[in-house]
Amino acid sequence: GQQLNQSPQSMFIQEGEDVSMNCTSSSIFNTWLWYKQDPGEGPVLLIALYKAGELTSNGRLTAQFGITRKDSFLNISASIPSDVGIYFCAGHPSNTGNQFYFGTGTSLTVIP
Amino acid sequence: GAVVSQHPSWVICKSGTSVKIECRSLDFQATTMFWYRQFPKQSLMLMATSNEGSKATYEQGVEKDKFLINHASLTLSTLTVTSAHPEDSSFYICSAGSPPMNTEAFFGQGTRLTVV
Repeated sequence: GQQLNQSPQSMFIQEGEDVSMNCTSSSIFNTWLWYKQDPGEGPVLLIALYKAGELTSNGRLTAQFGITRKDSFLNISASIPSDVGIYFCAGHPSNTGNQFYFGTGTSLTVIP
Repeated sequence: GAVVSQHPSWVICKSGTSVKIECRSLDFQATTMFWYRQFPKQSLMLMATSNEGSKATYEQGVEKDKFLINHASLTLSTLTVTSAHPEDSSFYICSAGSPPMNTEAFFGQGTRLTVV
């Protein structure tokens, strides 16, 4: 199936620093989702985006739906140790379709 | 958000036996559920789309006779790994799309399968 390109693949940052990651696709998506996965757990939805250009926040997290509808960005401000995990983007090509396509993941390590 | 429950969380089985994994939507009805496989430090790989009342749709390269999917009700889909082998050991995760437009996916907690 289709896979989205996500970067960076991994990040090692100091506590308190800001984090940015992005996701790109070769095709247009109507929905962008960002998930966080802790080891041994299923992904948990962080932010959902439905319109091109939309900017949505959830606490220290902010995500944007790219204007071209082929990319999305996630920012985490003032990182804390519990932000550690793997972050996945996911795209939905149609609001009435079925499949969600996932990014390759960004592994985040926060150094206290 | 919607709650999806997956059971069991982990299972160890002998090579050649079959294992059934359940995925339930607890507070909503899901006409469509998805089954993923995830290898360590890798992304989720879609295996199949489970459709209530009809046959599942399998992704290319996924053996439908090996990974049996049944979606008999609007709140339950099952994945049965038949004649399991050590290479089937993996983390299996299900998800369900949020009704009515399936615009978000909510995941179960995953099942760690180890075949010995």
